[in-house]
Amino acid sequence: QKEVEQNSGPLSVPEGAIASLNCTYSDRGSQSFFWYRQYSGKSPELIMSIYSNGDKEDGRFTAQLNKASQYVSLLIRDSQPSDSATYLCAALGGATNKLIFGTGTLLAVQP
Amino acid sequence: DTEVTQTPKHLVMGMTNKKSLKCEQHMGHRAMYWYKQKAKKPPELMFVYSYEKLSINESVPSRFSPECPNSSLLNLHLHALQPEDSALYLCASSQDRAGAGYGYTFGSGTRLTVV
Repeated sequence: QKEVEQNSGPLSVPEGAIASLNCTYSDRGSQSFFWYRQYSGKSPELIMSIYSNGDKEDGRFTAQLNKASQYVSLLIRDSQPSDSATYLCAALGGATNKLIFGTGTLLAVQP
Repeated sequence: DTEVTQTPKHLVMGMTNKKSLKCEQHMGHRAMYWYKQKAKKPPELMFVYSYEKLSINESVPSRFSPECPNSSLLNLHLHALQPEDSALYLCASSQDRAGAGYGYTFGSGTRLTVV
């Protein structure tokens, strides 16, 4: 079982819609979770972090964490074509205490 | 602009060459990392320096050699690489070993091609 799992996509949504990205993790000791956005050929950019169960909102982005279900999600409201990128979920802590990435979900926002 | 600076941005090297990748951060972070990323794959951790102590990923071949001259600098020395080592090499830093929830800040990366 992979430590951090995501659907590879592509996830296609129309402009203005809500994009919902999901992630599960296997190490119950993981404490912190992150969403990175990566444009093709560029480096990952941190967009959200979450450590406590529940929701965390920042502008158009909402991260959700459910530690009992080992589930993390990212909602992007009012999606824009510029949001088209690969979104990497990452977990930190647990047995390895290293930042472990999922395989990423490719999001395509259609104008 | 990123607060973690990597040089060079692009590098083409032959299999017999020796080259170095450089990474610098001035955020006062005490942990620095090297990641390797192949196309359409997630970043894979290669090395961790925390408070200038090295933690090695034992699956990384010895042709990659990290060096941490001080807490702000991290180099990756390359020798006798193979074409399959061609990838994007990412440097990152964090406030402490565990990241304390702050996440890692990545540099813009070095695109390495081995010919």
